[in-house]
Amino acid sequence: DARVTQTPRHKVTEMGQEVTMRCQPILGHNTVFWYRQTMMQGLELLAYFRNRAPLDDSGMPKDRFSAEMPDATLATLKIQPSEPRDSAVYFCASGGRAGTQYFGPGTRLLVL
Amino acid sequence: QQPVQSPQAVILREGEDAVINCSSSKALYSVHWYRQKHGEAPVFLMILLKGGEQKGHDKISASFNEKKQQSSLYLTASQLSYSGTYFCGTERPTSGGGADGLTFGKGTHLIIQP
Repeated sequence: DARVTQTPRHKVTEMGQEVTMRCQPILGHNTVFWYRQTMMQGLELLAYFRNRAPLDDSGMPKDRFSAEMPDATLATLKIQPSEPRDSAVYFCASGGRAGTQYFGPGTRLLVL
Repeated sequence: QQPVQSPQAVILREGEDAVINCSSSKALYSVHWYRQKHGEAPVFLMILLKGGEQKGHDKISASFNEKKQQSSLYLTASQLSYSGTYFCGTERPTSGGGADGLTFGKGTHLIIQP
């Protein structure tokens, strides 16, 4: 049963600290998406990669967020420095055939 | 531009039917439907790629009217397990092909009562 994995599942940190979230897409999928979900804004696209190349990161605050895909099995989303308004659930989604996107379990981030 | 979903919330008795609508002001390449239960990740239901396409499995189906930039999700003879928040995600036409990032609606909360 192929699934997207994300680590950590929960993260509590203090304002100003660096946060790194990791995602392992489904084997064979060539597109990885990062979404953020909050009560106020709902589900928002932050960035996505195809064949490890960044295609769109217009949804990300550029000054503090960065996304990379060092290899086909790992995507990372980093926040430095973190702020309380970054508190949210961060989802990674793996893009399969015909445009289907399968979400990982998410990383629940709380910045104090 | 965020698609608009209606209604915002629905309360049904088990066995009743529901329709959830999703409309966009921009041209769409595809519409994706997800269900999310509290504290969990969105679960993929179906994707509609062509204008006029209809899909379904079990008692959940959907249609996509490309010209009207609208999609509807139909839940027939609802079951308790159908409870959750339903999201439509819309995808823009792209020149390069392949999957694009989705823009999600605010969601429709569906409560099924026994």
